[in-house]
Amino acid sequence: SQQGEEDPQALSIQEGENATMNCSYKTSINNLQWYRQNSGRGLVHLILIRSNEREKHSGRLRVTLDTSKKSSSLLITASRAADTASYFCATDEDSWGKLQFGAGTQVVVTP
Amino acid sequence: GAVVSQHPSWVICKSGTSVKIECRSLDFQATTMFWYRQFPKQSLMLMATSNEGSKATYEQGVEKDKFLINHASLTLSTLTVTSAHPEDSSFYICSARSERLAGVVTQYFGPGTRLLVL
Repeated sequence: SQQGEEDPQALSIQEGENATMNCSYKTSINNLQWYRQNSGRGLVHLILIRSNEREKHSGRLRVTLDTSKKSSSLLITASRAADTASYFCATDEDSWGKLQFGAGTQVVVTP
Repeated sequence: GAVVSQHPSWVICKSGTSVKIECRSLDFQATTMFWYRQFPKQSLMLMATSNEGSKATYEQGVEKDKFLINHASLTLSTLTVTSAHPEDSSFYICSARSERLAGVVTQYFGPGTRLLVL
């Protein structure tokens, strides 16, 4: 079953704007990861944040984690048309590394 | 980064036939691999956990006799969709578990296999 819920389901912005999407989960986690998926393609790992971390940056990406609220956010700054994709959060709950994926946010960046 | 391949990348078959999908970790050994299924405009749903040398662990609602998983080596897991039907048409994605990143369990995903059953 899916653990995470994401909002918004879809986001349409113009190049240069920031895109923010949120993810909520239900159980305790070891870490939370964000992935990108271009249409009909495989997943690309973006960033991992551990349960004891609150914020992490990677290039134009900023991820926050609030374990008390069981939520995370992904911010993409200065978006580009190439950022058009679906973005998924995934939580790692057990020692085997089994991931539970959120429903995803479809982002469209128009030039 | 670590590379995981899948073969074939897409397959079209007639209803009732069986289809085998391979998942390989190309530059690392993976004792554990995972199989996911993704329907259009939906998220990835974990189907099963494949452990090298032992039986796969299936998620609730996934028929183990329908989706046969074999993990015979540390670099290869196969998923066989037996007696495929149109409702099995989906995007199948595998991932391989690695502990390269400072002990943090990380999964590397294959590019996916698109199955269309006519």
